Amino acid sequence: AQSVSQHNHHVILSEAASLELGCNYSYGGTVNLFWYVQYPGQHLQLLLKYFSGDPLVKGIKGFEAEFIKSKFSFNLRKPSVQWSDTAEYFCAVTSPRGSARQLTFGSGTQLTVLP
Amino acid sequence: NAGVTQTPKFRILKIGQSMTLQCTQDMNHNYMYWYRQDPGMGLKLIYYSVGAGITDKGEVPNGYNVSRSTTEDFPLRLELAAPSQTSVYFCASSLQGATNEKLFFGSGTQLSVL
Repeated sequence: AQSVSQHNHHVILSEAASLELGCNYSYGGTVNLFWYVQYPGQHLQLLLKYFSGDPLVKGIKGFEAEFIKSKFSFNLRKPSVQWSDTAEYFCAVTSPRGSARQLTFGSGTQLTVLP
Repeated sequence: NAGVTQTPKFRILKIGQSMTLQCTQDMNHNYMYWYRQDPGMGLKLIYYSVGAGITDKGEVPNGYNVSRSTTEDFPLRLELAAPSQTSVYFCASSLQGATNEKLFFGSGTQLSVL
């Protein structure tokens, strides 16, 4: 079964600091990878995704993520965070078990950006 | 375009009561999902549907039932509420499947069972 680990449960940064949120998964086969974000009071929404090709993918609002297959990782980065980036961030990876339509989500990282 | 609409937003149940969480989408999506999120945990899939009349169990289906009589609606039924079902519930939909494209989520239902 697939498992997804987000080791940072709560990250607090000041504006303009750089951000890196970790995401590691367990299944070593072909996977699709996603980062979802939930801003306060809003729905969960897709931030970025990786299916194949260039392992460095860019998403909305200046976020990017790098897929490193050898490390089973898909870390989220942003060079300079803003107060508006305060949100909860979820990594999700396709599950090889059962239906191919299932995702396994990490436990989430709460990011607080101080003005 | 409303997207995915969930009702209610909040609900308190007594042990043993039953209720239905409603979910409607207006994007003509084939796939619909119910997830639950417990504090400090990731979203766990309860049930999903790949089209009207077709449903299947996810990772944590016990204590829940679903139906999909139309493309738009995917209600989640709790028959005998238990404290372990206290959670935040999210409904989601997608056109081609969660693993191939993005999910559209509802705003969530905060359920407490006391």
